[in-house]
Amino acid sequence: SQTIHQWPATLVQPVGSPLSLECTVEGTSNPNLYWYRQAAGRGLQLLFYSVGIGQISSEVPQNLSASRPQDRQFILSSKKLLLSDSGFYLCAWTGDYTEAFFGQGTRLTVV
Amino acid sequence: GENVEQHPSTLSVQEGDSAVIKCTYSDSASNYFPWYKQELGKGPQLIIDIRSNVGEKKDQRIAVTLNKTAKHFSLHITETQPEDSAVYFCAATRRMDSSYKLIFGSGTRLLVRP
Repeated sequence: SQTIHQWPATLVQPVGSPLSLECTVEGTSNPNLYWYRQAAGRGLQLLFYSVGIGQISSEVPQNLSASRPQDRQFILSSKKLLLSDSGFYLCAWTGDYTEAFFGQGTRLTVV
Repeated sequence: GENVEQHPSTLSVQEGDSAVIKCTYSDSASNYFPWYKQELGKGPQLIIDIRSNVGEKKDQRIAVTLNKTAKHFSLHITETQPEDSAVYFCAATRRMDSSYKLIFGSGTRLLVRP
């Protein structure tokens, strides 16, 4: 069966520090991968999606970037975090079907 | 691009009553409409979905209806229970090249009072 792993679960980082969140998928090949952000009490905002290795589409201009170095690995990064980057970050994947499977999320607090 | 609006933002019902959450979408090419349930501190999980060639789908206490002409779809939960309390998201998607883009509504916080 397919599983999606996302880590860390929680993270507290100072303003100006770098960020790296990792997501990996098991049990499937060539998944479509997504990063969403959820601000407190808000909906899910699509940040990036990827249809293959090295292929990244950005949905909104921001302080973040994404990379896909391997088929089942998706990384969310920042060189210098801002206070406004705080939120709940969710990785997701879809295959041939349109159902999306989400990771457990990373709660990022920038202080 | 696709825009999905969801109402209400919060909903409080008595245990045993029904709950209805409504969403509208803007892109007439959207063809898949899932609903997700998110419990506190966890990622969303699919609870039911409907495709554009179907008008209604039911799974035990949960049902979803789709009106393509009006571009709206609704989630119906009957005989609500305290464990139904969570945030519910609707979404609409369309195929983009070889990818499916899910655009979510803003969520509805459902509270079921015992």
